[in-house]
Amino acid sequence: GDSVTQMEGPVTLSEEAFLTINCTYTATGYPSLFWYVQYPGEGLQLLLKATKADDKGSNKGFEATYRKETTSFHLEKGSVQVSDSAVYFCALTNTGNQFYFGTGTSLTVIP
Amino acid sequence: ETGVTQSPTHLIKTRGQQVTLRCSSQSGHNTVSWYQQALGQGPQFIFQYYREEENGRGNFPPRFSGLQFPNYSSELNVNALELDDSALYLCASSLIGGQSNEQFFGPGTRLTVL
Repeated sequence: GDSVTQMEGPVTLSEEAFLTINCTYTATGYPSLFWYVQYPGEGLQLLLKATKADDKGSNKGFEATYRKETTSFHLEKGSVQVSDSAVYFCALTNTGNQFYFGTGTSLTVIP
Repeated sequence: ETGVTQSPTHLIKTRGQQVTLRCSSQSGHNTVSWYQQALGQGPQFIFQYYREEENGRGNFPPRFSGLQFPNYSSELNVNALELDDSALYLCASSLIGGQSNEQFFGPGTRLTVL
């Protein structure tokens, strides 16, 4: 069945460091891929998405490219800020019906 | 544009009891999905409601049931609560037939079963 595997955390970085959170997926067909972010005590917010191979999603300095050949959708940011501290979830959907989420990666950015 | 809202924010129940959680979808959306997020885990799909009928279900027992109302709001009911039902329950709304398959999440209801 469809599934998402993402890099386990927690990840701790200094401010302005480069961030990569790995995400790989298993799916039939051509899923849409997403990154969601969850701040403490809150629900999930969409960070970025890509709906077909080679698409690049971007938002707030974060980027991820849909790589069908490696079934990956790694999240990157060139210079993290303290305010980026949160839990990041990679997710996919084939139908728009059921979303499959990874287990989440906790990021802490220290000044 | 009104976002997804959920009530209550927190809830404490005891084993064997029943609980009802509520969700109001985002304006213009016609579909509501429910997810269970255990501590330290990603959300797990429970089911989705579209046009007041179940439109897909994850691997959850029948004691998890739901409703969708004509105004597209929704309820999640859980009977015979178990300790493992303690989790954050997330509601997400979306628009079937729209251009995007994106789901918009509410803040969640934190359920504790003692």
